[in-house]
Amino acid sequence: EVQLVESGGGLVQPGGSLRLSCAASGFTFSSYWMHWVRQAPGKGLVWVSRINSDGSSTSYADSVKGRFTISRDNAKNTLYLQMNSLRAEDTAVYYCARDPYSNYENWFDPWGQGTLVTVSS
Amino acid sequence: SYVLTQPPSVSVAPGQTARITCGGNNIGSKSVHWYQQKPGQAPVLVVYDDSDRPSGIPERFSGSNSGNTATLTISRVEAGDEADYYCQVWDSSSVSWVFGGGTKLTVL
Repeated sequence: EVQLVESGGGLVQPGGSLRLSCAASGFTFSSYWMHWVRQAPGKGLVWVSRINSDGSSTSYADSVKGRFTISRDNAKNTLYLQMNSLRAEDTAVYYCARDPYSNYENWFDPWGQGTLVTVSS
Repeated sequence: SYVLTQPPSVSVAPGQTARITCGGNNIGSKSVHWYQQKPGQAPVLVVYDDSDRPSGIPERFSGSNSGNTATLTISRVEAGDEADYYCQVWDSSSVSWVFGGGTKLTVL
């Protein structure tokens, strides 16, 4: 069974840092692009970042560029999101998701269950 | 950046047909994907590439895309279909993946 499990969320003060992890299982992790998508409380889905299969290429939403860093460890089947200089508006549930065919026009499937990040003093 | 516009809410009686639209400039030239999200759960893909269904998704879910509007159609709506639905495309201009604002489907 293909499974994605996020961890690392929690409460952090504005300006602080947090690293999210997404453990993958049930598929050849190293063959797929991966994404992070977030959802603020009561709001819609917003794409955050993408990484290609070997980690050599990344993309970011303008709202997080320069503050967030996506990375992966294919030996550990794990995706990461390093979040620095956090702001209140970064408060959200963060989901990792797989791109099933590793291409730009594709969809996200499956998704993890999400991890909540709360930025507050 | 590319904007996708969805109605905030759609209501339908059980057994009827629900149509959820997703508007965007020349969206017919893009591949549109749809997700269902129930409260407290992660999104689930229900339609990809405008009109294809993942395995396990009922045939009642279908999609179309032309001109400036993509549509998710749910036939013979059931109470269990009540959820938020999001459309999504890839925007080559901004090199980003874009979601619509979401539509809350209420089954009366």
